[in-house]
Amino acid sequence: AQKVTQAQTEISVVEKEDVTLDCVYETRDTTYYLFWYKQPPSGELVFLIRRNSFDEQNEISGRYSWNFQKSTSSFNFTITASQVVDSAVYFCALSSSGSARQLTFGSGTQLTVLP
Amino acid sequence: GAVVSQHPSWVICKSGTSVKIECRSLDFQATTMFWYRQFPKQSLMLMATSNEGSKATYEQGVEKDKFLINHASLTLSTLTVTSAHPEDSSFYICSAKAGTYEQYFGPGTRLTVT
Repeated sequence: AQKVTQAQTEISVVEKEDVTLDCVYETRDTTYYLFWYKQPPSGELVFLIRRNSFDEQNEISGRYSWNFQKSTSSFNFTITASQVVDSAVYFCALSSSGSARQLTFGSGTQLTVLP
Repeated sequence: GAVVSQHPSWVICKSGTSVKIECRSLDFQATTMFWYRQFPKQSLMLMATSNEGSKATYEQGVEKDKFLINHASLTLSTLTVTSAHPEDSSFYICSAKAGTYEQYFGPGTRLTVT
């Protein structure tokens, strides 16, 4: 069975602060993919990143960065110099190794960036 | 990039009626589509996996007779909520799989049953 845990239900920061969203996963598969999605109030999921289990290099994309550590089964997401437009629910997800490649989502973290 | 559309984007219906939601992959073919349900302030829960030309695979606890899924072509899957009740009110999201791991999500359909 697969599981994704996002322990932070809600986070509130002031604009320009850095914020890290935690994600811990469980899987028995040796090959898997991890994802982060952003869901603004409109509801549409916005894809942010995909990382496969063999690539532990951290990635930076503008103000976004991701820290993948297999040793702790974590895939944390950091927003640097947060902005009000970053306010949204962020989901971490894990892709199964089955033929359908179903996604298992974490419970999400509501990020509120205050001006 | 790959685009997935859903229609309608929102719908209000009376209790006891049926509602059909369409999910289309606009610029790619999807042999597999997924249907998710999301209640307010909760995560996305997979309802079923839909494969073109075959019966959908439903997750445990999802009533297949209530949530009818048809994946008649490589670009269209439909979800019909039969005899809808207020507890079926939710945000329904579909996704279409392109390639091995890429899933593209539709914008969602907000269903309200009165």
